[in-house]
Amino acid sequence: IAGITQAPTSQILAAGRRMTLRCTQDMRHNAMYWYRQDLGLGLRLIHYSNTAGTTGKGEVPDGYSVSRANTDDFPLTLASAVPSQTSVYFCASSDSGRDEQFFGPGTRLTVL
Amino acid sequence: GQNIDQPTEMTATEGAIVQINCTYQTSGFNGLFWYQQHAGEAPTFLSYNVLDGLEEKGRFSSFLSRSKGYSYLLLKELQMKDSASYLCAVMDSNYQLIWGAGTKLIIKP
Repeated sequence: IAGITQAPTSQILAAGRRMTLRCTQDMRHNAMYWYRQDLGLGLRLIHYSNTAGTTGKGEVPDGYSVSRANTDDFPLTLASAVPSQTSVYFCASSDSGRDEQFFGPGTRLTVL
Repeated sequence: GQNIDQPTEMTATEGAIVQINCTYQTSGFNGLFWYQQHAGEAPTFLSYNVLDGLEEKGRFSSFLSRSKGYSYLLLKELQMKDSASYLCAVMDSNYQLIWGAGTKLIIKP
């Protein structure tokens, strides 16, 4: 059982390029989340999905978009990357959206 | 605004006990979570408190006082592998987690 997987593990990206971070879970969890983690700051919620077919904006959604076509996948897209989007991105899921969240291994993204 | 405060860094000795404090001010309260995060890895769940009092789980215990907006994580019989960051997070009225910046715990032999 993999739990949650993310791809790629790391990426260096030129500013202005489009990038999709992939996230897949095999636990049949209803809720999924995207966070970014920056040094000295807490995890900040970018977007979330309470169930397949629905998405919502978190604390820092600008410059990012998500889709939730099915239960397992929750990709995060940067339409036109900027250096301030350099961060570690974590995908997470929870069964009901009201309980503990399980995290993927993260994607380290550098935008130059 | 919503705010979670915890110390930036703490140092403790192997075999000792350490208490990591967390204070919070949030829009609503639906539980408080503690996570452990080793350097370069993902956060992993440690404990959950929604009612006042102490929850014990092996060497780790977590305490909550809702009236004071306060929690602590107690780690006993410290081991070198406990060197990590400990993240406090509160679930607000929208069932979204608000995260503290984390406490980096350094264990010395």
